[in-house]
Amino acid sequence: QQQVKQSPQSLIVQKGGISIINCAYENTAFDYFPWYQQFPGKGPALLIAIRPDVSEKKEGRFTISFNKSAKQFSLHIMDSQPGDSATYFCAASIQGGSEKLVFGKGTKLTVNP
Amino acid sequence: DAMVIQNPRYQVTQFGKPVTLSCSQTLNHNVMYWYQQKSSQAPKLLFHYYDKDFNNEADTPDNFQSRRPNTSFCFLDIRSPGLGDAAMYLCATSRGQGPTDHYEQYFGPGTRLTVT
Repeated sequence: QQQVKQSPQSLIVQKGGISIINCAYENTAFDYFPWYQQFPGKGPALLIAIRPDVSEKKEGRFTISFNKSAKQFSLHIMDSQPGDSATYFCAASIQGGSEKLVFGKGTKLTVNP
Repeated sequence: DAMVIQNPRYQVTQFGKPVTLSCSQTLNHNVMYWYQQKSSQAPKLLFHYYDKDFNNEADTPDNFQSRRPNTSFCFLDIRSPGLGDAAMYLCATSRGQGPTDHYEQYFGPGTRLTVT
């Protein structure tokens, strides 16, 4: 019940295309859902996060869509660029509970020029 | 700029030789975390400190220890590194629990540990 399932494991997109990464969870107590971006040899960097009281959050080319009833959330990268090539991790946590994040297994995104 | 700093960035140690990795933060965050990340895997939480309170994950081997002498610094000690401990070690911080807080974690650049 503590798992966050992430798909796909890898994704190849052409420059200018839309990249979509999906995550699903079981624990309805989760109330904070961040996405992290990690480049090779670097630490993960917080990209964007959402709370379940909204269905969508957009920051620049990055959008999180959240479906509370389906217990799913997804990251959309519009106009994907080669510089977006990285590994993306979704995660979930419970405010006021443990300080821990539960991570998905990651998606390696490659954006071809 | 406020940040999470890890030293060294690359560490080579011999099998069984104790090694210490360090992390410092200028964010004045209450919580500090240590993660182990192996190739093509998600970060795996080893333990975390909430202020001085130490919280160990149930599956963290006894070989891994941590110290937090003050708010700004946290150390990861590996007492007898094995070949399987070669990984990227990530330090992260978060502000901690408050009425409207959620656990945004900010990661350092990591230390790549090689065991020979």
